[in-house]
Amino acid sequence: GIQVEQSPPDLILQEGANSTLRCNFSDSVNNLQWFHQNPWGQLINLFYIPSGTKQNGRLSATTVATERYSLLYISSSQTTDSGVYFCAPPTQGGSEKLVFGKGTKLTVNP
Amino acid sequence: ETGVTQTPRHLVMGMTNKKSLKCEQHLGHNAMYWYKQSAKKPLELMFVYNFKEQTENNSVPSRFSPECPNSSHLFLHLHTLQPEDSALYLCASSRGTGASWGELFFGEGSRLTVL
Repeated sequence: GIQVEQSPPDLILQEGANSTLRCNFSDSVNNLQWFHQNPWGQLINLFYIPSGTKQNGRLSATTVATERYSLLYISSSQTTDSGVYFCAPPTQGGSEKLVFGKGTKLTVNP
Repeated sequence: ETGVTQTPRHLVMGMTNKKSLKCEQHLGHNAMYWYKQSAKKPLELMFVYNFKEQTENNSVPSRFSPECPNSSHLFLHLHTLQPEDSALYLCASSRGTGASWGELFFGEGSRLTVL
């Protein structure tokens, strides 16, 4: 099945800093989602981004499907951005069965 | 608020108990899912239901028994669990499955501890 690799595994920032999280995947996909898991465990849907670039406030994401990677940009980070960020492509093609990587754990200090 | 509600949020049970986790979605979706998140492991898909019919059972032990009475409700019945089943159980929903499935939306999770 598809392999998902996220980097870096851990990231510590000062409030106000910018960061880029990377997701590499091993096979061609038709869709991909980014999630933020808060300290209480809830997974929040950030982006559904099969290709191209999307922006939502301080966050933006880019997926280059042909090169099998996606990037999540966080600008002017806030302490509430802390948590674990997951990218999740499908097991194959456009399947609804998502495969989760190990995530990037982000800590934003005041 | 994601439109997917799970209860209870926390559950402690003994190995001989029988309990159930409940999930309800208010998004008008047709597909519902159970995922398991154990410590130090990636999220694992357990079950998928589409229009109340089970379409995926990811080799889950029979001590986990799902039930989907309609497209808005999903249960996970638990019996004779083991301590290693302690985990965060996450419910999710999507518009459908296959090519038109859309995005996945998760509930807050039910944190289960088996003593």
